Amino acid sequence: DGGITQSPKYLFRKEGQNVTLSCEQNLNHDAMYWYRQDPGQGLRLIYYSQIVNDFQKGDIAEGYSVSREKKESFPLTVTSAQKNPTAFYLCASRKDRDPYNEQFFGPGTRLTVL
Amino acid sequence: AQSVSQHNHHVILSEAASLELGCNYSYGGTVNLFWYVQYPGQHLQLLLKYFSGDPLVKGIKGFEAEFIKSKFSFNLRKPSVQWSDTAEYFCAVNGNNRKLIWGLGTSLAVNP
Repeated sequence: DGGITQSPKYLFRKEGQNVTLSCEQNLNHDAMYWYRQDPGQGLRLIYYSQIVNDFQKGDIAEGYSVSREKKESFPLTVTSAQKNPTAFYLCASRKDRDPYNEQFFGPGTRLTVL
Repeated sequence: AQSVSQHNHHVILSEAASLELGCNYSYGGTVNLFWYVQYPGQHLQLLLKYFSGDPLVKGIKGFEAEFIKSKFSFNLRKPSVQWSDTAEYFCAVNGNNRKLIWGLGTSLAVNP
């Protein structure tokens, strides 16, 4: 089955540690996105990538970093510079040349920083 | 500025009640509009979408939405809700650079 996988589902880290969240898709989509979801705040865009080896900052990129070395993978690193990292993180992708911009989502990773 | 406003943050209904969730957007270009749903413990998934043509759009599970251009609105409706409709609902509009602009979400609780 085609889809987006995110691992792990739950992640615990100590304050001050960097942590990398995985996102893999086998939909052959070119564009990928990382969102942060907090209660009552909707989805806020962290980073997005339209093609391999290229990515752009979203609305809340501070304290995060990404890479896009392969089309199917878009890992997100939450660095120690992120002041409030505990949140639910969602990865999404969009079909190439889709004029309507529909996005498909993974199951999410819930990160808790202790 | 591009934005999406969802009027209701929390809605509580009894089964068989009718549902309408408000969504207004601000965007100057051609709009593509979406409603996504997030059931407890599940992926965020597309409920329905509007791109062009008939402004009344039908989605999965008996949901529909009406695009009213003059009101910049895309309200979600369902004539009779079920307990299984308990979820969080998000409205979104296409923005610049192929991004989506999201509303803050509406949490719906349906009591059996």
